[in-house]
Amino acid sequence: AQSVTQPDIHITVSEGASLELRCNYSYGATPYLFWYVQSPGQGLQLLLKYFSGDTLVQGIKGFEAEFKRSQSSFNLRKPSVHWSDAAEYFCAVVVSGAGSYQLTFGKGTKLSVIP
Amino acid sequence: DTGVSQDPRHKITKRGQNVTFRCDPISEHNRLYWYRQTLGQGPEFLTYFQNEAQLEKSRLLSDRFSAERPKGSFSTLEIQRTEQGDSAMYLCASSPGVASLYGYTFGSGTRLTVV
Repeated sequence: AQSVTQPDIHITVSEGASLELRCNYSYGATPYLFWYVQSPGQGLQLLLKYFSGDTLVQGIKGFEAEFKRSQSSFNLRKPSVHWSDAAEYFCAVVVSGAGSYQLTFGKGTKLSVIP
Repeated sequence: DTGVSQDPRHKITKRGQNVTFRCDPISEHNRLYWYRQTLGQGPEFLTYFQNEAQLEKSRLLSDRFSAERPKGSFSTLEIQRTEQGDSAMYLCASSPGVASLYGYTFGSGTRLTVV
């Protein structure tokens, strides 16, 4: 079965610093990959997604992610973090061909931003 | 497009009581999903509807859980004889039919606390 691993439970960065959140997936074929952000007590907002084509995808709020098949990774990056980016970030995968196209999520990485 | 609405936002109930949650998806979305998120975890798939048909259920969905989507519009999730382990955030998401690959729009969730 497909799975998603987010190795970092909690990351703290200074405002203005760069950010990289790691995501590894386990699936034989090319998966469809997503990053979502969740503010406390809120639902999930889609940051970006990868289906095929260019392996570097741009998302909202200045985020980007790079799909690396050789490393089974889909890491999220931002060149300069803002205090408002403090939230929890979830990587997710959808298995193509499954009728429901359900998302399988990682356990999330909580981002704290130091002023 | 008013997004995905969930009601109530918070529910506190005594163990053994029944609870019902409602989800109103984006009107043109025919796919609707329920997820459960416990503290420190990513959301986990519960069940999926295409129009009014419930096409997939997770093994997490015990016999005490039932979901409906009459007329293919709003959906309800009922939990009978609630247990403390049911305490979680219940998230609803919707997506366009074939275009479910284009992302899922999540509601803000219903947080259930069983005391």
